[in-house]
Amino acid sequence: KNEVEQSPQNLTAQEGEFITINCSYSVGISALHWLQQHPGGGIVSLFMLSSGKKKHGRLIATINIQEKHSSLHITASHPRDSAVYICAVQLISSGSARQLTFGSGTQLTVLP
Amino acid sequence: NAGVTQTPKFQVLKTGQSMTLQCAQDMNHNSMYWYRQDPGMGLRLIYYSASEGTTDKGEVPNGYNVSRLNKREFSLRLESAAPSQTSVYFCASLPRDRVRNEQFFGPGTRLTVL
Repeated sequence: KNEVEQSPQNLTAQEGEFITINCSYSVGISALHWLQQHPGGGIVSLFMLSSGKKKHGRLIATINIQEKHSSLHITASHPRDSAVYICAVQLISSGSARQLTFGSGTQLTVLP
Repeated sequence: NAGVTQTPKFQVLKTGQSMTLQCAQDMNHNSMYWYRQDPGMGLRLIYYSASEGTTDKGEVPNGYNVSRLNKREFSLRLESAAPSQTSVYFCASLPRDRVRNEQFFGPGTRLTVL
């Protein structure tokens, strides 16, 4: 069983829809990251969370440490949001190296 | 700042050939990482360097070697390429500052081994 599970694997939405991508993990973590991989392949960090909720523009990320679960929400989705969204966790055991363990990603397509 | 740069962007090798993937960062980051990305799987850590002068194995190190040449540069070497090493390779770096605890990724190298 993967330590980080994302759902759904693929998601197609109409422009304007509210989108939720879920991430569950099975290990002790010190932080959880959401990343975006553009169609051209580049990867950028969207959020880092250790508790609560963060918001940046139309993106909102939440984490529930007790339930080992995080969600990424996109409000008023737009075709330019089409990308792969990746959840990654930083294990407590990673120490000073702070390496990440990744989910397999969610391919989001937003249709005009 | 150029951020994290990788060369080459694309490479085709024959089985048994060797090559080195180059990665450099100009952000004075302490830690650097090499990942591979395969279809349907998440990014997997090959090797990492928590600081200049140290390297450690990640999840999938077999068939690879690394060199942390200096603080800026972290190279990945395939001594005898195999078709199973066909993948997209990403380098990333991380600042020492734990407040800015976010990895910065290079653009990737798409490698095909025939």
